[in-house]
Amino acid sequence: NAGVTQTPKFQVLKTGQSMTLQCAQDMNHNSMYWYRQDPGMGLRLIYYSASEGTTDKGEVPNGYNVSRLNKREFSLRLESAAPSQTSVYFCASSDQGSTEAFFGQGTRLTVV
Amino acid sequence: GQQLNQSPQSMFIQEGEDVSMNCTSSSIFNTWLWYKQEPGEGPVLLIALYKAGELTSNGRLTAQFGITRKDSFLNISASIPSDVGIYFCAGGLSNDYKLSFGAGTTVTVRA
Repeated sequence: NAGVTQTPKFQVLKTGQSMTLQCAQDMNHNSMYWYRQDPGMGLRLIYYSASEGTTDKGEVPNGYNVSRLNKREFSLRLESAAPSQTSVYFCASSDQGSTEAFFGQGTRLTVV
Repeated sequence: GQQLNQSPQSMFIQEGEDVSMNCTSSSIFNTWLWYKQEPGEGPVLLIALYKAGELTSNGRLTAQFGITRKDSFLNISASIPSDVGIYFCAGGLSNDYKLSFGAGTTVTVRA
């Protein structure tokens, strides 16, 4: 039972490069989320998708875009990476009407 | 998002000790969740609380939903080495999909 799967696990980018972080869940959840985790700051919500076909900004959306490709997949795109986007990124999903989120293993991104 | 104050920021505990950590908010929540994160992994849900005053256990872990709905507590009894990790609290509202997270409590166990 895979749960929430994120790829890649590690990535190094140069400033200005673009990349897409992939996320897929096999729990048939309606809602999906992207968080970033920085030391001493907990998890901050970047974007979320309450259901297939909808996306909304979270607390820190600047510099990011998302696509809810289908019910299973929710991708996060950095169009022009900046050093301030160095972080660990987590994708999560939850069932309809539930706040109990299940997390992937994370993508550790370094922007140099 | 809402700011949650989680304390302590870190703790060193002796194996066998009982420990507590708490989380407070300036706003009320309908749901309080406690997660544990181990190195290189994503957070894993430990306990979910849905009702003010609720006390819920999961093995050696016990969590309480504060009566004011603005706080929650997590207790670990008889600590063991595998309790090492970062514990996060999170608050949610029933009409909102988003969670607000505390900054985490890092637990290190002395054998």
